[in-house]
Amino acid sequence: QLHLQESGPGLVKPSETLSLTCIVSGGSISTSSYYWGWIRQPPGKGLEWIGTIYYSGSTYYNPSLKSRVTISVDTSKNQFSLKLSSVTAADTAVYYCASQDRWLQYMDVWGKGTTVTVSS
Amino acid sequence: EIVLTQSPGTLSLSPGERATLSCRASQSVSSSYLAWYQQKPGQAPRLLIYGASSRATGIPDRFSGSGSGTDFTLTISRLEPEDFAVYYCQQYGSSRFTFGPGTKVDIK
Repeated sequence: QLHLQESGPGLVKPSETLSLTCIVSGGSISTSSYYWGWIRQPPGKGLEWIGTIYYSGSTYYNPSLKSRVTISVDTSKNQFSLKLSSVTAADTAVYYCASQDRWLQYMDVWGKGTTVTVSS
Repeated sequence: EIVLTQSPGTLSLSPGERATLSCRASQSVSSSYLAWYQQKPGQAPRLLIYGASSRATGIPDRFSGSGSGTDFTLTISRLEPEDFAVYYCQQYGSSRFTFGPGTKVDIK
């Protein structure tokens, strides 16, 4: 059974780069059945899609964040990563990784989420 | 960008009652790419419905989805205590995802 786990610093300073990793277990990240995505949720607010990657490395991003986001994949470690540059307090959120069905584009397995606070 | 609007913002009901949640899109959405999620406090979202009307694995049959075009509905036929939560709709189109703002179903 697929399991996803986010990891990374819980505190990032303004203007710095937020870096998170999602470790995939119970299945191969190189499967043709899934894309892999990042979603965030500011405190008390709704869900915002950040971006998505395929095991081949192809990506697509939320246009509102595209200039600051980089998502990469490491198939040898069965994990994918998120970098968000020039962070501000508005980037404070719970960050989730999730698997996305390649054909119907729903997010069926989610990590538990990791809280990232942007503060000096 | 397709904007999703959910109504009502909050739905106050009693266990055993029927819940009807609406998700409206600013332009037509492919039914194949419309999903619903449930989120409880402190937890990650959980997939309920995909393809507008297909239940995800392990989801009880009291949850059903319907709709097409710009209007979609999630129905919970009889609320159980564990169903009180926030529900989000999500669409995919033109290589981007958007979520609705959510409907909170709370206990009356």
